[in-house]
Amino acid sequence: AQKVTQAQTEISVVEKEDVTLDCVYETRDTTYYLFWYKQPPSGELVFLIRRNSFDEQNEISGRYSWNFQKSTSSFNFTITASQVVDSAVYFCALDGNKLVFGAGTILRVKS
Amino acid sequence: ETGVTQTPRHLVMGMTNKKSLKCEQHLGHNAMYWYKQSAKKPLELMFVYNFKEQTENNSVPSRFSPECPNSSHLFLHLHTLQPEDSALYLCASSQVRAPGGEQFFGPGTRLTVL
Repeated sequence: AQKVTQAQTEISVVEKEDVTLDCVYETRDTTYYLFWYKQPPSGELVFLIRRNSFDEQNEISGRYSWNFQKSTSSFNFTITASQVVDSAVYFCALDGNKLVFGAGTILRVKS
Repeated sequence: ETGVTQTPRHLVMGMTNKKSLKCEQHLGHNAMYWYKQSAKKPLELMFVYNFKEQTENNSVPSRFSPECPNSSHLFLHLHTLQPEDSALYLCASSQVRAPGGEQFFGPGTRLTVL
């Protein structure tokens, strides 16, 4: 069965702190995709990144970076120098034989 | 209108009511999805339509009935709901339903069942 675990229910940081959101997944598929989505207060999820199971290269996009490690089945997301606008719910998702999402992590960035 | 729109944004209904949620996408996509988002639970994929055909039904109770008349519109018909069905219902679309496809989400309908 496929499963995504986001163990951190809620994280609070002060602006300019770095923060890492954890994502651990389970799958028996050899080919799969991992995603991160951001859900701001307005409600709609916004796509942030997609990674396929054969590409373990880490990625950096501005203040965002992602660390994919198949050995530990993890796909963690780091925000550097967090800002108040980063406050949102962040979802990790796994898409292979089936599409499953984690429970989300609420990130609160205080000024 | 652009992207994915959902109406109504908020809905309050009694357990004996019948109501429908509407989703429309203006992206030329061929796959559409219904999700249920409850507090502190994983986002639950309910139904998937690909080229107007239902391809996934994830053990959703029959009191939820989806309809996809064309690739741009998706409905969720509700009847005899329970209070535990109160949640945010999200609609999404993608180019086609295939692993790895980026989905575009609507803002959701906040449903309260009394």
